[in-house]
Amino acid sequence: EAGVTQSPTHLIKTRGQQATLRCSPISGHTSVYWYQQALGLGLQFLLWYDEGEERNRGNFPPRFSGRQFPNYSSELNVNALELEDSALYLCASSRDRRETQYFGPGTRLLVL
Amino acid sequence: AQSVTQPDIHITVSEGASLELRCNYSYGATPYLFWYVQSPGQGLQLLLKYFSGDTLVQGIKGFEAEFKRSQSSFNLRKPSVHWSDAAEYFCAVALANQAGTALIFGKGTTLSVSS
Repeated sequence: EAGVTQSPTHLIKTRGQQATLRCSPISGHTSVYWYQQALGLGLQFLLWYDEGEERNRGNFPPRFSGRQFPNYSSELNVNALELEDSALYLCASSRDRRETQYFGPGTRLLVL
Repeated sequence: AQSVTQPDIHITVSEGASLELRCNYSYGATPYLFWYVQSPGQGLQLLLKYFSGDTLVQGIKGFEAEFKRSQSSFNLRKPSVHWSDAAEYFCAVALANQAGTALIFGKGTTLSVSS
């Protein structure tokens, strides 16, 4: 069974630009989660999508947004990029809210 | 507020020696508990999880963890460490019956293995 996939693996942007990160969940999983792993800040929950709806978001500003498509894949959009947005962004999926989350390899975003 | 504490930032263990990584949590109710491992530049791999039942759980790669409710702990152990175990280890919790909601992670423990 294929795992969670993310693209691109690396992304370089300049301050003020927008970044779009993509995630494909494990087949059969309907929930997708996004986490940010920034240096010195650890792993922080960003967003949770389930059945196409945003179900929960962490303590991040509105310029972090996303969506989930009918095939359960997901996009994370970060607008007006700031230097401190540089981080590894991890996507995870689960069969539903009661099930274990499985993580993808991440997208490393560098903001210059 | 819920929190997870991994007291050891960095641990060095000799190859073949035993390992114990500590994890303490602060939660209003019994949570779901997880250990994940992250190799450099990689995503997180699930090592093991505790939902209910037997408090000693077995995971992949020879790891095990024990849930101790009285100590609010979920320590990870391995009897004999291999060089390939060098990585960063994260303990995480979720509300019971909601393993798929936001995970709260500890800061992680980096394991180095010496020969």
